[in-house]
Amino acid sequence: KQEVTQIPAALSVPEGENLVLNCSFTDSAIYNLQWFRQDPGKGLTSLLLIQSSQREQTSGRLNASLDKSSGRSTLYIAASQPGDSATYLCAVRRPTNAGGTSYGKLTFGQGTILTVHP
Amino acid sequence: GAVVSQHPSRVICKSGTSVKIECRSLDFQATTMFWYRQFPKKSLMLMATSNEGSKATYEQGVEKDKFLINHASLTLSTLTVTSAHPEDSSFYICSATGGLAEDTQYFGPGTRLTVL
Repeated sequence: KQEVTQIPAALSVPEGENLVLNCSFTDSAIYNLQWFRQDPGKGLTSLLLIQSSQREQTSGRLNASLDKSSGRSTLYIAASQPGDSATYLCAVRRPTNAGGTSYGKLTFGQGTILTVHP
Repeated sequence: GAVVSQHPSRVICKSGTSVKIECRSLDFQATTMFWYRQFPKKSLMLMATSNEGSKATYEQGVEKDKFLINHASLTLSTLTVTSAHPEDSSFYICSATGGLAEDTQYFGPGTRLTVL
């Protein structure tokens, strides 16, 4: 059974800092990995999706890396801003066939609550 | 981009009543829809997966008679919490796949259910 762990559970940083959020998963046989942002009382916004064959994805100030063999992903946020304050969720999707071309459900980590203070 | 909406965003009901939550894909055909439940400061737990026109597949431990899911069209799925009790109070989020990126899930804004 896939388990996804995110560290730290909470992080508070001053504005402008670069920061790293960590995600680890127990089963390295994944189809893809996705990072989401969730604002309080809201749904999820997809930030980055990394296919199992990829090593990283970038979008603006965000960079996500994937080391499938070690079961780890990191989300790097550059020059953090108060508007980045949210819960960040990592989720992995498993393949459903031996060839890894068909995919199954997402398994979520518990999230990292990020607070960026001015 | 693909948009998923949910209605209502908040609902408060009395214990014993049934509540229906709608999930719609606004600009794409959702071949598969997912329903999640999220407790405060916890992660999302998948409740069930539904494909249009067929019965939903429920995760282990989820009562199918209590959480009725209907996926009658490619743009609409409904979750009905029957005979709701206070322990059913939670944040319910739907998600959908379809359109150009079949392996990407688009999430709705969630519905906060409070059962008194």
